[in-house]
Amino acid sequence: AQTVTQSQPEMSVQEAETVTLSCTYDTSENNYYLFWYKQPPSRQMILVIRQEAYKQQNATENRFSVNFQKAAKSFSLKISDSQLGDTAMYFCAFINYNQGGKLIFGQGTELSVKP
Amino acid sequence: GAGVSQSPSNKVTEKGKDVELRCDPISGHTALYWYRQSLGQGLEFLIYFQGNSAPDKSGLPSDRFSAERTGGSVSTLTIQRTQQEDSAVYLCASSSLYPGTEAFFGQGTRLTVV
Repeated sequence: AQTVTQSQPEMSVQEAETVTLSCTYDTSENNYYLFWYKQPPSRQMILVIRQEAYKQQNATENRFSVNFQKAAKSFSLKISDSQLGDTAMYFCAFINYNQGGKLIFGQGTELSVKP
Repeated sequence: GAGVSQSPSNKVTEKGKDVELRCDPISGHTALYWYRQSLGQGLEFLIYFQGNSAPDKSGLPSDRFSAERTGGSVSTLTIQRTQQEDSAVYLCASSSLYPGTEAFFGQGTRLTVV
């Protein structure tokens, strides 16, 4: 079975600093997609960034970037120049269409950005 | 509509009663997911619909839980004989057919069983 693991239940960072959230996953498939979603206190889930497994280049979206290590099955999220609005739960997610396309989430990391 | 709509936003029910939670996905989205999120916890997969394929029900926690999707659009999650441990936020998401596309989430239904 495919699983996604986030080993950091809570993290904090000072405003303007950089923080890295960890995610590992387990799959025997070769083609899949990975995502990071953000859930602020409003409860609305928002896509932060996505990575296609067949692409070696790490995805970036403004202050957000990933470190995708396919062999290690690791997919960490780096947030640069942290802002107060980045305070939220962050979920790592995995989808593989050869297995029907079920979107599986990790347990989440609660990030607090402190002024 | 412009986004995924869930109703009701909040539901308080007595233990033992049945509840129905509704999800209106984005028009044209073939994939629809239900998740359960307990307070401060992650997203627990419940069920997944994709087009006309048989739904993936592997996440439903007991036979008290069921879901249907009518006409490939609206979905209803039904919980029979509710228990206090069913209290949680139930999130619905939809996405298009294309691999790697974003799943769009509703605001969720907060269910409280008293």
